[in-house]
Amino acid sequence: EAGVVQSPRYKIIEKKQPVAFWCNPISGHNTLYWYRQNLGQGPELLIRYENEEAVDDSQLPKDRFSAERLKGVDSTLKIQPAELGDSAVYLCASSLDGVSRGPTFGAGSRLTVL
Amino acid sequence: GQSLEQPSEVTAVEGAIVQINCTYQTSGFYGLSWYQQHDGGAPTFLSYNGLDGLEETGRFSSFLSRSDSYGYLLLQELQMKDSASYFCAVKWYSNYQLIWGAGTKLIIKP
Repeated sequence: EAGVVQSPRYKIIEKKQPVAFWCNPISGHNTLYWYRQNLGQGPELLIRYENEEAVDDSQLPKDRFSAERLKGVDSTLKIQPAELGDSAVYLCASSLDGVSRGPTFGAGSRLTVL
Repeated sequence: GQSLEQPSEVTAVEGAIVQINCTYQTSGFYGLSWYQQHDGGAPTFLSYNGLDGLEETGRFSSFLSRSDSYGYLLLQELQMKDSASYFCAVKWYSNYQLIWGAGTKLIIKP
């Protein structure tokens, strides 16, 4: 089966510019996660979806970050405007349910904000 | 609060055995997971302990003791390709959120 697909793999933008990341989860996985990972640290959850509903977005900086999961499949994560501190790898992951042992991750989107 | 502690770095020799420990400060979680992440790559699931005890998957084993708030990942017959960062993570009952340790960088020397 195809894994979790993310794009773009790399993105370089100047601060105050917008950026969007796209994720296609594993087919049939109803739970989708967006994580942010800084160098030398573990992933930090930004938002978790159960189907099309965002069930945990407590860690999402809502002033500049937004996410959506239309029809409970693909998802996009947007940052507008980007700040220097947003430079990180943005990981999408999916799982069959929210209680499973752990999600499957995509390759990530590495964002550099100049 | 909820936190997991791991050593930041561990060094071992090719062919040897290494244990990476994970201690946590909380209760009420579904289980302990371990992930491997190579530089520039995505975290890859390695092992899961839903119950106390040892789980073995090839060269890798993982252990959990809820009474001791402790778990570990054991890697045997180390290969150079095992050089990576290893993360422990737990999912809490309260909100299903997966909480991660900061990761252990495993350095393998020939």
